[in-house]
Amino acid sequence: NAGVTQTPKFQVLKTGQSMTLQCAQDMNHEYMSWYRQDPGMGLRLIHYSVGAGITDQGEVPNGYNVSRSTTEDFPLRLLSAAPSQTSVYFCASSYEASGSPFGANVLTFGAGSRLTVL
Amino acid sequence: AQSVTQLDSQVPVFEEAPVELRCNYSSSVSVYLFWYVQYPNQGLQLLLKYLSGSTLVKGINGFEAEFNKSQTSFHLRKPSVHISDTAEYFCAVRNTGFQKLVFGTGTRLLVSP
Repeated sequence: NAGVTQTPKFQVLKTGQSMTLQCAQDMNHEYMSWYRQDPGMGLRLIHYSVGAGITDQGEVPNGYNVSRSTTEDFPLRLLSAAPSQTSVYFCASSYEASGSPFGANVLTFGAGSRLTVL
Repeated sequence: AQSVTQLDSQVPVFEEAPVELRCNYSSSVSVYLFWYVQYPNQGLQLLLKYLSGSTLVKGINGFEAEFNKSQTSFHLRKPSVHISDTAEYFCAVRNTGFQKLVFGTGTRLLVSP
């Protein structure tokens, strides 16, 4: 059981380049989300998805696109990278356990992807 | 909208000493509260959570937290820390009935011998 797998672990981009951070989970979780972690700012939600075909914006969505064509995968796309997007990115997934109150689910995080934009 | 404040960005402590990491939240509705821990170069993992019921919640590795509704706080405590507790700790809040989880800025716990 791999949990949440993020690739790549490290990436260096030049300003203006595009790339996709991959996220896959094998737990059949409904919910998936992307966070960025910056010093002194904690984790901020970029985009999230409540199921295949459904995505929504978080706190800091500008400059990022997502799609959810399958339950397992939730890629994060940077169309034109900027130095302000230098960060550590975390993908997380969760599910609503039967009998558990709505919103009580616990996130399972990937190991992170460290992105540097020059 | 809910928000989380972790006033202490860093807490240095000696091994076997007690520690308290502070967390205050703001929300106009009922909330669920969580503490996550991030060890160096790893993702976050759940330490403990408060959903309802007893205000004292026990988590893994000897940590516990107390929900105080009147003070809108959810402070994390451990009576005796180990070197291995060195990590960053994040408090998080979610309004009941919603999916968005809001994190605090984190507190780095530094345990020295």
